[in-house]
Amino acid sequence: AQSVTQPDIHITVSEGASLELRCNYSYGATPYLFWYVQSPGQGLQLLLKYFSGDTLVQGIKGFEAEFKRSQSSFNLRKPSVHWSDAAEYFCAVGAQQAGTALIFGKGTTLSVSS
Amino acid sequence: DAGITQSPRHKVTETGTPVTLRCHQTENHRYMYWYRQDPGHGLRLIHYSYGVKDTDKGEVSDGYSVSRSKTEDFLLTLESATSSQTSVYFCAISVDTAYEQYFGPGTRLTVT
Repeated sequence: AQSVTQPDIHITVSEGASLELRCNYSYGATPYLFWYVQSPGQGLQLLLKYFSGDTLVQGIKGFEAEFKRSQSSFNLRKPSVHWSDAAEYFCAVGAQQAGTALIFGKGTTLSVSS
Repeated sequence: DAGITQSPRHKVTETGTPVTLRCHQTENHRYMYWYRQDPGHGLRLIHYSYGVKDTDKGEVSDGYSVSRSKTEDFLLTLESATSSQTSVYFCAISVDTAYEQYFGPGTRLTVT
């Protein structure tokens, strides 16, 4: 079955500390992978995406993610967290075909402490 | 900005009443999607569309129907709303030559 697992429901990080959010997927074909961020009361914003090529991808707001095929993982990282990064983060996977719906993880809520 | 609007943004309705949510896009993208978001469940696909009058069911389609008579509009209808359909509903689009999806601002629906 196709699925996305985000093992951490809630993470608290001190401002200025590094961040890693975990994402593991189960997908029959070669997937496309995404990270989205959702601030309270807002829609989802695309942070970054992986289709092929370099397994380390850069996104907006200083985020990056690394695709590890052997571990079926696509973890999101940021070297120094800012208070404005507090939000909910979703990992998603899709097929390499236009128009395919995405499968989302259940999300990780990030809190930033001062 | 992908030019996606949703209406209404908030709605409270009673059990058993019909409800229609509208998603409107300004850029004539082919693919459109309806998701619902519930705590602890992430986003789950309700229905999607790959063109005018071309729609298909998603993971949680029971109790929902959709219509797409124009490229720019994708309507989600709850024929007879139930309390289990209290949720936040998101519309999304994807462009023909790419695979990421862009989301609207959402509609918060409460069924009492």
